[in-house]
Amino acid sequence: DVVLTQSPATLSVTPGERISLSCRASESVGTYLHWYQQKPNESPRLLIKFASQSISGIPSRFRGSGSGTDFTLIINGVELEDLSIYYCQQGDNLPRTFGSGTRLEIK
Amino acid sequence: EVQPVESGGGLVQPGSSLTVSCVAAEFTFSDYWMSWVRQTPGKTMEWIGDIKYDGSYTNYAPSLKNRFTISRDNAKSTLYLQMSNVRSEDTATYYCTSLDIGSNFAYWGQGTLVTVAS
Repeated sequence: DVVLTQSPATLSVTPGERISLSCRASESVGTYLHWYQQKPNESPRLLIKFASQSISGIPSRFRGSGSGTDFTLIINGVELEDLSIYYCQQGDNLPRTFGSGTRLEIK
Repeated sequence: EVQPVESGGGLVQPGSSLTVSCVAAEFTFSDYWMSWVRQTPGKTMEWIGDIKYDGSYTNYAPSLKNRFTISRDNAKSTLYLQMSNVRSEDTATYYCTSLDIGSNFAYWGQGTLVTVAS
């Protein structure tokens, strides 16, 4: 199975900051790496697909990059509403796997 | 907002069976592969399996394939997850999702909570 390691586990930030969340795969997944946002008491929603492709309706401050085994989710100018858990997920191999998530806290 | 609607969760005893359902009326259900994903109380996300748009093919997580079965009824725009011999570790919120090209999950239901306890 492809293991996805997300770091940090928790990140506490001030509104307006630019932040980077990491997702590392145990083997190459090409660009079949997707990001999800889960706000408190809500279902996850797709944030970025294929490592860097934007999703309609998602604010432009969310950007993804990377390929192979190293991926990054960048939030340019964190807002209060970004309080969430962020997960990465690989779609290159079965079984489909998720990272353990990064919990974003807003100071 | 496109959101499937799950139902059928609740409190079940260890060793019993349960079927949860998902109605996806807001998109052309029969055009989509569909998946089940669960989230434990500790927030761990686990893929359960997928089913092809016509129901002719399924994929499962190896650890669950002997106890879980995914099926669909396109005439009713409904997806099913049959769980047998449930265990305490099956306690989770179960989400139905669409499976898009590239194997990402675009549309998520609101989830249904299954609690396995005596």
